[in-house]
Amino acid sequence: DAGVIQSPRHEVTEMGQEVTLRCKPISGHNSLFWYRQTMMRGLELLIYFNNNVPIDDSGMPEDRFSAKMPNASFSTLKIQPSEPRDSAVYFCASSTGTALAPYNEQFFGPGTRLTVL
Amino acid sequence: SQQGEEDPQALSIQEGENATMNCSYKTSINNLQWYRQNSGRGLVHLILIRSNEREKHSGRLRVTLDTSKKSSSLLITASRAADTASYFCAFKETSGSRLTFGEGTQLTVNP
Repeated sequence: DAGVIQSPRHEVTEMGQEVTLRCKPISGHNSLFWYRQTMMRGLELLIYFNNNVPIDDSGMPEDRFSAKMPNASFSTLKIQPSEPRDSAVYFCASSTGTALAPYNEQFFGPGTRLTVL
Repeated sequence: SQQGEEDPQALSIQEGENATMNCSYKTSINNLQWYRQNSGRGLVHLILIRSNEREKHSGRLRVTLDTSKKSSSLLITASRAADTASYFCAFKETSGSRLTFGEGTQLTVNP
């Protein structure tokens, strides 16, 4: 298996632009997580899906952030409009589990390093 | 949601020595996990210990969990230069729905 795949690996954009990050989870995994990592705040869970349904989006910082999972093999995290403070590494992870017990071993993708100028 | 506290923040040792990292939390948990992150890479799961377990081994890794003290430790024995990475604990609170990560310990193993 190729593991969790994220694209792009690096993204540099200007403030106000729309940014879309993509993730392909490991086949057979039914839970998908989006995290953000910064030096100041560490690793933060933004949202997680179980069986393509968003279960907990309380970590999404504000309305500028949205995430979708149209099918079991694809998810997007969109920021519109982007701001410099959104600069971070965004990780996607997947695992097996249920909506109430999703926290088995998580497999992380390589991350997308986002820089908003 | 509380963040786990890890100590030390940074640890530098010589190859062959043992490395111990600690994680503390504040509420009841279902399980606690340890992850490793190499520079510029994603996190890699190392080991999971459930709340009813006290110790677990995996190769050169030994994890302990003391629920009365709300703490866990990760011991890496006979360290190697390749063990240089950041190590994070992560735990699931029984009352919450999310996995909370600690602040991480940066381990440097000098050859």
